[in-house]
Amino acid sequence: RKEVEQDPGPFNVPEGATVAFNCTYSNSASQSFFWYRQDCRKEPKLLMSVYSSGNEDGRFTAQLNRASQYISLLIRDSKLSDSATYLCVVNFIQGAQKLVFGQGTRLTINP
Amino acid sequence: EAGVTQSPTHLIKTRGQQATLRCSPISGHTSVYWYQQALGLGLQFLLWYDEGEERNRGNFPPRFSGRQFPNYSSELNVNALELEDSALYLCASSSLRRQLNEKLFFGSGTQLSVL
Repeated sequence: RKEVEQDPGPFNVPEGATVAFNCTYSNSASQSFFWYRQDCRKEPKLLMSVYSSGNEDGRFTAQLNRASQYISLLIRDSKLSDSATYLCVVNFIQGAQKLVFGQGTRLTINP
Repeated sequence: EAGVTQSPTHLIKTRGQQATLRCSPISGHTSVYWYQQALGLGLQFLLWYDEGEERNRGNFPPRFSGRQFPNYSSELNVNALELEDSALYLCASSSLRRQLNEKLFFGSGTQLSVL
């Protein structure tokens, strides 16, 4: 089983739609969780951290479910510029710490 | 302020050769991370260096190695190149000393092609 798993998509949704995707992780001792965004042929950039109580940043909402070991990202009122690959990232503790990236979910917003 | 810089941007090698990839972190950052991103796959954790020491290593064979210099720049070396080593190699830096800092700043990567 992969340490961090995401549905690779692609997700194709119309502009203005709401889209959500999940990410599951295998290590229950994981400390912290994040969403990164990667545009085509570019480097990943931090989108937002994910807190236990859930958190929102504009149109983006992230949630964490420790019992079921998944995190989610919700994008409301999607824009064309939201088209990208969204990477789930988990801080694992197995001896030393390491940041593990999911394979990413590709999202395309259509006009 | 300069971001994370990687060189070269593209590297073409043949099977069996050795490749050296370089990374300069953001000024003031002591941690450097290396990731491999093969086409269609996610980022695979390779190595984490902080203050000159290797802090953690991913599930890669020993022919993947690296080091961090006193100025915190880093090298990734791949020996005995294989075709499946072809990938984008991303370097990232962060600022928290001796602790894993999730806020990573990535360089643009080195595209390694093994023929």
